Amino acid sequence: GAGVSQSPSNKVTEKGKDVELRCDPISGHTALYWYRQSLGQGLEFLIYFQGNSAPDKSGLPSDRFSAERTGGSVSTLTIQRTQQEDSAVYLCASSFSGNVFGELFFGEGSRLTVL
Amino acid sequence: GEDVEQSLFLSVREGDSSVINCTYTDSSSTYLYWYKQEPGAGLQLLTYIFSNMDMKQDQRLTVLLNKKDKHLSLRIADTQTGDSAIYFCAESMAGGSYIPTFGRGTSLIVHP
Repeated sequence: GAGVSQSPSNKVTEKGKDVELRCDPISGHTALYWYRQSLGQGLEFLIYFQGNSAPDKSGLPSDRFSAERTGGSVSTLTIQRTQQEDSAVYLCASSFSGNVFGELFFGEGSRLTVL
Repeated sequence: GEDVEQSLFLSVREGDSSVINCTYTDSSSTYLYWYKQEPGAGLQLLTYIFSNMDMKQDQRLTVLLNKKDKHLSLRIADTQTGDSAIYFCAESMAGGSYIPTFGRGTSLIVHP
């Protein structure tokens, strides 16, 4: 498809396990964003990529969270030693360019439940 | 820092107008947006307004911006059941990285 693709759509894991969430942006979009959507908390910014580099990692909540992007395309968000408070929907978005106004195109999200 | 506030819920009758309000704190905001999220879906840009504008109209949607009060509103005329969704207000600044800050979202419920 032509939209932003995220996988898995649902992930249930046990506390303490590591998880990887994948985002495949729209082809040609140089900017990629990860947000977290928790109940009643709105969208919390996590990290932003321009190409393969991440000029802004300020939103990552702890050092258990990391993300990478390879080939200017697919991005992976990794959460190590998951905690129950990590339960949320993780949304990925991409845009044509991150330096000027550009509409963000969102994926449907990966719902993470930590038991 | 940046902060965007919205009321959490709005309930209207089908055919009435809906007005969703948002306040923001960053006076240097350049772009202000309304995104719509339908159940089980990602966010989709509905409309946006540039900070040097006071109003923007697009079919049933009217966006009003009061820069003095840092208040943004979205009016949906003739609200339909298909308009039921979560509406997010967002702001960003031109220059540097473009990272929108989102509000918590307003759940619009339209009753037949």
